[in-house]
Amino acid sequence: SQKIEQNSEALNIQEGKTATLTCNYTNYSPAYLQWYRQDPGRGPVFLLLIRENEKEKRKERLKVTFDTTLKQSLFHITASQPADSATYLCALVGSGGYNKLIFGAGTRLAVHP
Amino acid sequence: GAGVSQSPSNKVTEKGKDVELRCDPISGHTALYWYRQSLGQGLEFLIYFQGNSAPDKSGLPSDRFSAERTGGSVSTLTIQRTQQEDSAVYLCASSPLGDEQFFGPGTRLTVL
Repeated sequence: SQKIEQNSEALNIQEGKTATLTCNYTNYSPAYLQWYRQDPGRGPVFLLLIRENEKEKRKERLKVTFDTTLKQSLFHITASQPADSATYLCALVGSGGYNKLIFGAGTRLAVHP
Repeated sequence: GAGVSQSPSNKVTEKGKDVELRCDPISGHTALYWYRQSLGQGLEFLIYFQGNSAPDKSGLPSDRFSAERTGGSVSTLTIQRTQQEDSAVYLCASSPLGDEQFFGPGTRLTVL
């Protein structure tokens, strides 16, 4: 069955370091992949989208990579700040359909001063 | 502009009662989604509306769940004869048929 895996353990890093979050998937050939940020008690907020024919996408301090051979996406936050502390969700959509997203369970990031 | 709004923000009900959850999408967004998120879990797809097309109900967990979207705008998710396992945060999202989904703040449902 289709499966999306994100590290369930919280990631704790020091302010100023680069945070790297991983999203692995199996039995899936997504047309694109999205990353969302979710703060406690709030709905997810879209951050970045990367398509299957793209290797890397950047937005300010954020960078996403997409390796369809490894079936993996990496999400990087450079020069991390305490305000970056949140849960980060990856979501995949299949090809040939509409924008039905399948979400991973998310990884909680805590950036310490 | 206004984002996606949902009401109520919190709902506490007794087992066996029916509940209605409301979603007001962003004006002009043709796609509307309902998800469910249990504590510490990812989002579980429930149902998708796109324009006047028949909705994709493939994610609804049982026939106690139903949803409608009137006039291509506001949507209501109804849960009949609620069970304790229905307790979760119900999230609504809309999209202009682009790629990005815009989420509301969710409705926290607690079934006692």
